[in-house]
Amino acid sequence: GAVVSQHPSRVICKSGTSVKIECRSLDFQATTMFWYRQFPKQSLMLMATSNEGSKATYEQGVEKDKFLINHASLTLSTLTVTSAHPEDSSFYICSATQIGADSYEQYFGPGTRLTVT
Amino acid sequence: AQKVTQAQTEISVVEKEDVTLDCVYETRDTTYYLFWYKQPPSGELVFLIRRNSFDEQNEISGRYSWNFQKSTSSFNFTITASQVVDSAVYFCALSEAVTSGTYKYIFGTGTRLKVLA
Repeated sequence: GAVVSQHPSRVICKSGTSVKIECRSLDFQATTMFWYRQFPKQSLMLMATSNEGSKATYEQGVEKDKFLINHASLTLSTLTVTSAHPEDSSFYICSATQIGADSYEQYFGPGTRLTVT
Repeated sequence: AQKVTQAQTEISVVEKEDVTLDCVYETRDTTYYLFWYKQPPSGELVFLIRRNSFDEQNEISGRYSWNFQKSTSSFNFTITASQVVDSAVYFCALSEAVTSGTYKYIFGTGTRLKVLA
């Protein structure tokens, strides 16, 4: 149980285009979803926290107009990287907490590797 | 501010050696949770353990063991008789209460473990 999926697993896009990454909780409803970014050989850095139907809360230094987060349902959150540039190339990981379960427990997706050329 | 320090950037051991990965944390919360995750080359985070701040019992799971010491704010992880398959990056993480019922994770910088055959 408590499985989180991400789609796509890998994506290559051209500089200046936008790319959307989906995060789904497959067998549970998610209270909160989190988006992390991980550059090569670095740690996971939280980008934003989102709750269904609410605006996302972004961490300091993360551009909310560049990284659009939509949390349309209790099982789906999307991250859109707008006007992507090579420096946005990174590994993006989402996680979710389960409604009715311990709120400190996050279930992680497998990640999406974004390459901007 | 909440912080997790993993001072060992990279460790190399020979197969069958024991290895300890250090984790030191800082928090102002009285209730908190600590985690260890394994990240193999595929990138997907693998949950290893969760420990709450009120439970200082050490834990053993097969070749893995964890030593939680509140007095020194440490949560160290030992792999006994290491194997090549243990090669990965290991992250220690700390939960931080954001709002009532919402916690975010603070990750350490990770320790890259290489187990040589």
